Amino acid sequence: EVVMTQSPLSLPVTLGQPASISCRSSQSLVYTDGNIYLKWFHQRPGQSPRRLIDEVSNRDSGVPDRFSGSGSGTDFTLKISRVEAEDVGVYYCMQGTHWPYTFGQGTKLEIK
Amino acid sequence: EVQLVESGGGLVQPGGSLRLSCAASGFTFSNYWMHWVRQDAEKGLVWVSRINPDGSSISYVDSVKGRFTTSRDNAKNTVYLQMNSLRADDTAVYYCARDSISVAYWGQGTLVTVSS
Repeated sequence: EVVMTQSPLSLPVTLGQPASISCRSSQSLVYTDGNIYLKWFHQRPGQSPRRLIDEVSNRDSGVPDRFSGSGSGTDFTLKISRVEAEDVGVYYCMQGTHWPYTFGQGTKLEIK
Repeated sequence: EVQLVESGGGLVQPGGSLRLSCAASGFTFSNYWMHWVRQDAEKGLVWVSRINPDGSSISYVDSVKGRFTTSRDNAKNTVYLQMNSLRADDTAVYYCARDSISVAYWGQGTLVTVSS
């Protein structure tokens, strides 16, 4: 099973400031088709997870462009260019390359 | 509007069974893989199973193999999760999801509690 390791686990950020979350996988996430199925999700308290990013850097429909994803191989990053109040919650990376799909532990973003 | 609505959760004793349902609407259900994902406070998010559009290919995470069965009825636009031999560590919120290119949809989840 692929282990996904996120850091930091807690992320206090001032409104309007940038934020960055790292995610590392225990093995390469390059699939046989050449794609990398690394996704990012955001979950607000009491809500279902919402996917933000697919295939490392593709923003889902309706996701603000202040969110961006990057990375390759086993190291990936989610960046928020300017944090807004609605961005609080827990962020998860997830790999959809190797079955079983697996998630990171989650990073809790809070406003300072 | 795409909707995924789970039902069937509840309190069950260890060793018991439950069947979860996920009713889909707003899209051509028979074209998509469907998934079950669970979440608990201890283990976080776990991708439990996946089923291909015609139901011929199904995969499970090891912790539920032999106990859980995923199926779908494309005529009813519904995916199911039959859970047998339930254990305390199966306690979680269970979500169904459609994870597609450019967009993903999750239901609101249904809580399963395994306790005596």
